[in-house]
Amino acid sequence: DSGVTQTPKHLITATGQRVTLRCSPRSGDLSVYWYQQSLDQGLQFLIQYYNGEERAKGNILERFSAQQFPDLHSELNLSSLELGDSALYFCASSPRQGMRDEQYFGPGTRLTVT
Amino acid sequence: AQKVTQAQTEISVVEKEDVTLDCVYETRDTTYYLFWYKQPPSGELVFLIRRNSFDEQNEISGRYSWNFQKSTSSFNFTITASQVVDSAVYFCALSEGPGGSYIPTFGRGTSLIVHP
Repeated sequence: DSGVTQTPKHLITATGQRVTLRCSPRSGDLSVYWYQQSLDQGLQFLIQYYNGEERAKGNILERFSAQQFPDLHSELNLSSLELGDSALYFCASSPRQGMRDEQYFGPGTRLTVT
Repeated sequence: AQKVTQAQTEISVVEKEDVTLDCVYETRDTTYYLFWYKQPPSGELVFLIRRNSFDEQNEISGRYSWNFQKSTSSFNFTITASQVVDSAVYFCALSEGPGGSYIPTFGRGTSLIVHP
């Protein structure tokens, strides 16, 4: 158990809908990262937040957004969902700002868009 | 071109065999970090090791060992006396900086199946 929690574990929704994925980092970790894992694209970095502020952006679509709250939990919002958004979404955390550190991953949220 | 290449899509071995997972990376930076993560059937990625570009010393942790060679841009992972519990997908990742801001790039993974 990495100490990173993610809810929900599974999510099934229809195209065009909007969903929110939630992540709580390990105790003491200030950085939160979001990743998407799909068969087509593999494991891709989406976005990083550090202590409430956006720090780095990867291949995140404009339909997706994220935020980190004062209690350090983070939410990833996916809107206007398409079939291709079906994937496993991971949250990870680390103590510091830089991504040179090892990251601790949550169990993931499996999103299925029908 | 892929920055991290794990050419072995799937490897199948019998328990107690040694197995090496290959990772070849591509970067122009002199400062970078390499990682290995394990993704067991349960799905959660587990950190195994981090190496920075200035430390080419090989590392051994129990049955796991890593061979980092800058000359061949490789960071290979060997499991000695494999066990069924080693069955998982293993990912190699590269974090480049400072232009890359250390955003990690993952390989496509190698699925290791260890048969009893």
